[in-house]
Amino acid sequence: KAGVTQTPRYLIKTRGQQVTLSCSPISGHRSVSWYQQTPGQGLQFLFEYFSETQRNKGNFPGRFSGRQFSNSRSEMNVSTLELGDSALYLCASSHRQGAEKLFFGSGTQLSVL
Amino acid sequence: KNQVEQSPQSLIILEGKNCTLQCNYTVSPFSNLRWYKQDTGRGPVSLTIMTFSENTKSNGRYTATLDADTKQSSLHITASQLSDSASYICVVSGTAGYALNFGKGTSLLVTP
Repeated sequence: KAGVTQTPRYLIKTRGQQVTLSCSPISGHRSVSWYQQTPGQGLQFLFEYFSETQRNKGNFPGRFSGRQFSNSRSEMNVSTLELGDSALYLCASSHRQGAEKLFFGSGTQLSVL
Repeated sequence: KNQVEQSPQSLIILEGKNCTLQCNYTVSPFSNLRWYKQDTGRGPVSLTIMTFSENTKSNGRYTATLDADTKQSSLHITASQLSDSASYICVVSGTAGYALNFGKGTSLLVTP
């Protein structure tokens, strides 16, 4: 069974640009959640999607948005990039919303110059 | 404010030795506590998940303990291997909505 797939693996952008990251969950998993990981702050929850609806949202500005498609694949978008957005963005999938066991992808390393 | 504090921040041990990582939390109400292992450049992988009523849970050479009264957990690694070199993250879940509280992790280096 394939794991959680995130693309692209690495991304370099400049300030002011926007970026879209993609996440394909494990087959059969309907919940996808997104996290930002930085050396200083550790892991921080961005949002969770279940059945194409955002169910929970973390404390991030509106520049961070996402969506989920009918096949459970999810995308995350960051507009008007700032230097502080440089981070590893991880997505995780699970069978159901708020499940205890999360399966993480390898992440997208975003660098904003 | 719900917090999760991990100690030590980093640790270096010799291959074959045991070690214990600590996690203290103030999350209330409490639902469950999870330990994850994250290798460099990879996503976290679940090691153990414990609910309020569980005191100990093992996964191979990894044993997690939980004291819900003192709000403390530990992760004990037995007979360490080079492949144990990673960051270990403690995650405490509350019961209010989607309430995951992350520790900043302990970076473990196992040397030959």
